[in-house]
Amino acid sequence: GAVVSQHPSWVICKSGTSVKIECRSLDFQATTMFWYRQFPKQSLMLMATSNEGSKATYEQGVEKDKFLINHASLTLSTLTVTSAHPEDSSFYICSASNRDRGSYEQFFGPGTRLTVL
Amino acid sequence: KQEVTQIPAALSVPEGENLVLNCSFTDSAIYNLQWFRQDPGKGLTSLLLIQSSQREQTSGRLNASLDKSSGRSTLYIAASQPGDSATYLCAVRASGSRLTFGEGTQLTVNP
Repeated sequence: GAVVSQHPSWVICKSGTSVKIECRSLDFQATTMFWYRQFPKQSLMLMATSNEGSKATYEQGVEKDKFLINHASLTLSTLTVTSAHPEDSSFYICSASNRDRGSYEQFFGPGTRLTVL
Repeated sequence: KQEVTQIPAALSVPEGENLVLNCSFTDSAIYNLQWFRQDPGKGLTSLLLIQSSQREQTSGRLNASLDKSSGRSTLYIAASQPGDSATYLCAVRASGSRLTFGEGTQLTVNP
């Protein structure tokens, strides 16, 4: 199967600091990676889509300067929450797909719980 | 804009019961539909993926059906077990690889 990992699994930080979350595809090349945000008892909201080697495409209402996404290789994408505030506390989930596989199926990471104090 | 709705929002059943979770979507021009399971504080586990040309998919005690023209899918769970307790999410792919998720059904199976 296709395995996606995230690091860290949880992080607590002070307000005003920046936090970086990594998303890795372990056994396949991810031509596209997605970042989602999930609030308690709510569904996943797509934040941005990134293709390897190009700039991420952000969903409406998502601040690109606050949520920096880098997809520098076919196995790694990072999400940096800059100048984090308590309202940024959430569960962040990434997924990865490879368009060359044909089905465009997304494989999801285990998520990262961010708590901003 | 694609919208995905799941009914019911929550369901509590006794162990052993067969149950059906419902998913509806507004735009029938989809490539596939996927059912996921999410345990509290965890990521998503893919259960079944149905291509738009298919009517159903089965995996063990799970059976998912798709009626693309009416914009509906159901997830049937046979002989439910306490370990089936989780949130079940339905998602459709309409273009590219973008998924649109429903709000989920929180299932509790009581021993």
